[in-house]
Amino acid sequence: DTEVTQTPKHLVMGMTNKKSLKCEQHMGHRAMYWYKQKAKKPPELMFVYSYEKLSINESVPSRFSPECPNSSLLNLHLHALQPEDSALYLCASSPGQAYTYQPQHFGDGTRLSIL
Amino acid sequence: KQEVTQIPAALSVPEGENLVLNCSFTDSAIYNLQWFRQDPGKGLTSLLLIQSSQREQTSGRLNASLDKSSGRSTLYIAASQPGDSATYLCAVRAHNYGQNFVFGPGTRLSVLP
Repeated sequence: DTEVTQTPKHLVMGMTNKKSLKCEQHMGHRAMYWYKQKAKKPPELMFVYSYEKLSINESVPSRFSPECPNSSLLNLHLHALQPEDSALYLCASSPGQAYTYQPQHFGDGTRLSIL
Repeated sequence: KQEVTQIPAALSVPEGENLVLNCSFTDSAIYNLQWFRQDPGKGLTSLLLIQSSQREQTSGRLNASLDKSSGRSTLYIAASQPGDSATYLCAVRAHNYGQNFVFGPGTRLSVLP
């Protein structure tokens, strides 16, 4: 069982819909990450939150909007997505972005399909 | 720019064989290297984390080595089992990438009964 919980596991949405992905961890970690993974490709970093503040945005389109309401919760709000945004979205956490000697822990991901 | 490659891209072996997966990175300025396992459609499971000052780490049938100066890491799996079938990814935590991970493309492993 993973210590990083992502919901929903699967999501199908139209290009005009608004939906949100949720990620939760209770390990006391202060850094949380969103990755996007296309089939048979490695994960690509999208956003990093450090102490609930956005520290890295890897030039992600504005139709993806991250939010970190508290130290345990990370959301990814989706609006007007394109078919090429269909992918596995992974959340990860670590003790802190500056704690470079600690591992990252990943959730099981949300499989997103855009119709 | 840090680049990570993995060889081979895919590997198929009979059950019981010992095998080695390779990971190479272009910039030796790393904090550590982490090996992950990913089952189809699932998230990443951390297998081993090896710090830049370490030479190897072991967990059960898995052994990871690191040669930072040459930019190489290997993951050794002893006595492979069908349950080991998965994609194995390595990721380096790079000094020059905002202290974040750069992933390799992975090796797809099939262990045949």
